[in-house]
Amino acid sequence: QKEVEQNSGPLSVPEGAIASLNCTYSDRVSQSFFWYRQYSGKSPELIMSIYSNGDKEDGRFTAQLNKASQYVSLLIRDSQPSDSATYLCARRMDSSYKLIFGSGTRLLVRP
Amino acid sequence: ETGVTQSPTHLIKTRGQQVTLRCSSQSGHNTVSWYQQALGQGPQFIFQYYREEENGRGNFPPRFSGLQFPNYSSELNVNALELDDSALYLCASSLWGEGYNEQFFGPGTRLTVL
Repeated sequence: QKEVEQNSGPLSVPEGAIASLNCTYSDRVSQSFFWYRQYSGKSPELIMSIYSNGDKEDGRFTAQLNKASQYVSLLIRDSQPSDSATYLCARRMDSSYKLIFGSGTRLLVRP
Repeated sequence: ETGVTQSPTHLIKTRGQQVTLRCSSQSGHNTVSWYQQALGQGPQFIFQYYREEENGRGNFPPRFSGLQFPNYSSELNVNALELDDSALYLCASSLWGEGYNEQFFGPGTRLTVL
């Protein structure tokens, strides 16, 4: 079982819609989660970090963490074509220093 | 504030050769982590440097080695290159002990091994 799992997509949504990206993980130890956006041919760019259960909002982005169900999600409101990219979910256990990434979900926002 | 920089941008080597990749951390950061990203995959952790010492290592063979310098910049060295070493090599900097220990990536070095 992979430690961080993401649907590879592509997830296709129309411009202006809400895009919902999901990530599941394999154990319940205390940890932090990160969402990165990666455009084709570029490096990952940090969007959000979340540690506590619940929602965390930053502009059009909302990260949601549910530790009991072992999933973390990223909602993108009012999706724009410029949001089309691969979104990487990563986790870091409190006792560790390394990020463990999923394989990413490709998002396509149709004009 | 200066972001993370890496050099070179692209590199082509042949099997068996050695390569050195360089990274300058973001200003104010003291920790550098290196990742390998194969096409279509998420980045894989190679190792991390803090206070000029290796602070943890992923599942990579000893021919992958590194250094951190007093100014927090870092090098990744790969000996005896193999075809499977072709990948995007990413450096990420962070501030040890700060909050979520968020890691910020440089632009990467694209290595092709022929």
